Amino acid sequence: AQSVSQHNHHVILSEAASLELGCNYSYGGTVNLFWYVQYPGQHLQLLLKYFSGDPLVKGIKGFEAEFIKSKFSFNLRKPSVQWSDTAEYFCAVNAKASGTYKYIFGTGTRLKVLA
Amino acid sequence: DAGVTQSPTHLIKTRGQQVTLRCSPKSGHDTVSWYQQALGQGPQFIFQYYEEEERQRGNFPDRFSGHQFPNYSSELNVNALLLGDSALYLCASSLRTSGSLADEQYFGPGTRLTVT
Repeated sequence: AQSVSQHNHHVILSEAASLELGCNYSYGGTVNLFWYVQYPGQHLQLLLKYFSGDPLVKGIKGFEAEFIKSKFSFNLRKPSVQWSDTAEYFCAVNAKASGTYKYIFGTGTRLKVLA
Repeated sequence: DAGVTQSPTHLIKTRGQQVTLRCSPKSGHDTVSWYQQALGQGPQFIFQYYEEEERQRGNFPDRFSGHQFPNYSSELNVNALLLGDSALYLCASSLRTSGSLADEQYFGPGTRLTVT
């Protein structure tokens, strides 16, 4: 069965620190990859997505992610975090199963940025 | 441009009761998916509706059912509620593109269901 693993459940950083959140998926076929963010009290919002082409994807608010097919990974990065990046981050994979596509989410990583 | 809306915002029900949650998709979208997000977990896919039919289903029992209307809005029904059904129920809409690999989903704010 397809699955998505986010290795870090809780991350605490100081402002201006660099961020990398891991995401690995288990599926050998064609996938589309997403990172969503959920700010406190708000709903899920799309940060960035990868469908094809350049494996380095840039999203909103200075986030980027790199798709490494050989490692089944899609890690999220930001060079310098801000206090406003405090949120929960979800990696998601859209993969074909039983002839149709469905989203599979990771369990999320809670990021706290200290001012 | 209205985003995805869900009603009600919060709901408290008793074990054994039935509940109906509602979702209006983002303008221009024709596909609605429902997710259950338990506390501390990622969203779990329940099912997806397109052209008023259930197209895909996750690992949820038949107590979970749904409906899509001609205007693309959707309902999620849960019968015989259990304490474990307490969760945030998310609706996501997308535009199904024929032959496309993926439909980018837009999420609503969710309905917080508490079963006592």
